[in-house]
Amino acid sequence: GEDVEQSLFLSVREGDSSVINCTYTDSSSTYLYWYKQEPGAGLQLLTYIFSNMDMKQDQRLTVLLNKKDKHLSLRIADTQTGDSAIYFCAESKNSGYSTLTFGKGTMLLVSP
Amino acid sequence: DTGVSQDPRHKITKRGQNVTFRCDPISEHNRLYWYRQTLGQGPEFLTYFQNEAQLEKSRLLSDRFSAERPKGSFSTLEIQRTEQGDSAMYLCASSLAGGSSYNEQFFGPGTRLTVL
Repeated sequence: GEDVEQSLFLSVREGDSSVINCTYTDSSSTYLYWYKQEPGAGLQLLTYIFSNMDMKQDQRLTVLLNKKDKHLSLRIADTQTGDSAIYFCAESKNSGYSTLTFGKGTMLLVSP
Repeated sequence: DTGVSQDPRHKITKRGQNVTFRCDPISEHNRLYWYRQTLGQGPEFLTYFQNEAQLEKSRLLSDRFSAERPKGSFSTLEIQRTEQGDSAMYLCASSLAGGSSYNEQFFGPGTRLTVL
């Protein structure tokens, strides 16, 4: 099966919160990341979490990690139309100095 | 802008032709990665370099693919005898080993390859 799985699509209204979910299979993953991809632009790192943490907050972004269930989520508060993009969950092993394994991405559509 | 750059941005070729892509990483970054992204998928790792040494190659990297980083700065990815299945976005990323503990990889805009 896939190493990293995500739901493919999420639609929200402007001002609502968005929650994007991800599951991974490798318990040796040391860092988990959320990347954002906008049309015509490169992947941009939004945030990351180390595997010994269960939550990280960064302005409008909250990352929750449930290591027992190998479940990662990204919550975006007060979602804006500019947040419309594809969001990728990714994992790395070996203390973060290794390659990334990405999910297929979740397309977030924010309507006014 | 001193981010990661890739050239060309788009390449259309006929099946059987050879193509070469170039990546210029952020200047002080010693690690350079190549990924491939097909429609509806996330990026898949192909290979990476630390300085000029190619340290890891994915099983996705068939013998028609070769990557080099001769002076530890820019890198090239060559695909020989292209096939339609090679059509994808080829992404390059760079990072600084010994920099942040979480090894942030900075991605370029990609080269979109279309094989007719």
